[in-house]
Amino acid sequence: SQQGEEDPQALSIQEGENATMNCSYKTSINNLQWYRQNSGRGLVHLILIRSNEREKHSGRLRVTLDTSKKSSSLLITASRAADTASYFCATDGRGSSNTGKLIFGQGTTLQVKP
Amino acid sequence: GAVVSQHPSWVICKSGTSVKIECRSLDFQATTMFWYRQFPKQSLMLMATSNEGSKATYEQGVEKDKFLINHASLTLSTLTVTSAHPEDSSFYICSAPRVTIGTGELFFGEGSRLTVL
Repeated sequence: SQQGEEDPQALSIQEGENATMNCSYKTSINNLQWYRQNSGRGLVHLILIRSNEREKHSGRLRVTLDTSKKSSSLLITASRAADTASYFCATDGRGSSNTGKLIFGQGTTLQVKP
Repeated sequence: GAVVSQHPSWVICKSGTSVKIECRSLDFQATTMFWYRQFPKQSLMLMATSNEGSKATYEQGVEKDKFLINHASLTLSTLTVTSAHPEDSSFYICSAPRVTIGTGELFFGEGSRLTVL
């Protein structure tokens, strides 16, 4: 069953602004990942943060992880129109014995207006 | 370039027919692949884990007789939707771990959109 919840469900911003998306999960994890999905397409892996990490950066992306609150955030800085997509967090679930099976959040649909 | 390929990318079929979707790992071997289903404006729901050389493991609520999974080689898993009905219309996505299972990162196919008339 799905365990992740993301907010906001939809976000609309102007180009150049920052976008912040949040994700909460329910069980213990080994790591948490963020994926991007353009409309009608497959998923593209953005960044992975391990349970013993608190913050990670990749280009314009910044991810935080708070295991005590079971939550994560994805910040996209200086957004571009090309960032328009749906963003999903996904966890592996520590109890899954690291099988590679992911549980996805509900996703945030981001629209960046030019 | 894509490391996991799905085919077909879209398919339209009549109610009652069966549809096969292929998932291939292009430059690596995958003993395990995962099949997800995504309804419009919703998240991905894991359907089953495809295991090379053995039976697939289905998630609770997924009918194994309706969604047949075959993982006959280290680079190919197939999902067959049998006796498809309109409610089976969905976006089906496969994924495969490129590195040793346990590191978390998976590569996803581009998805297959099934429309059952």
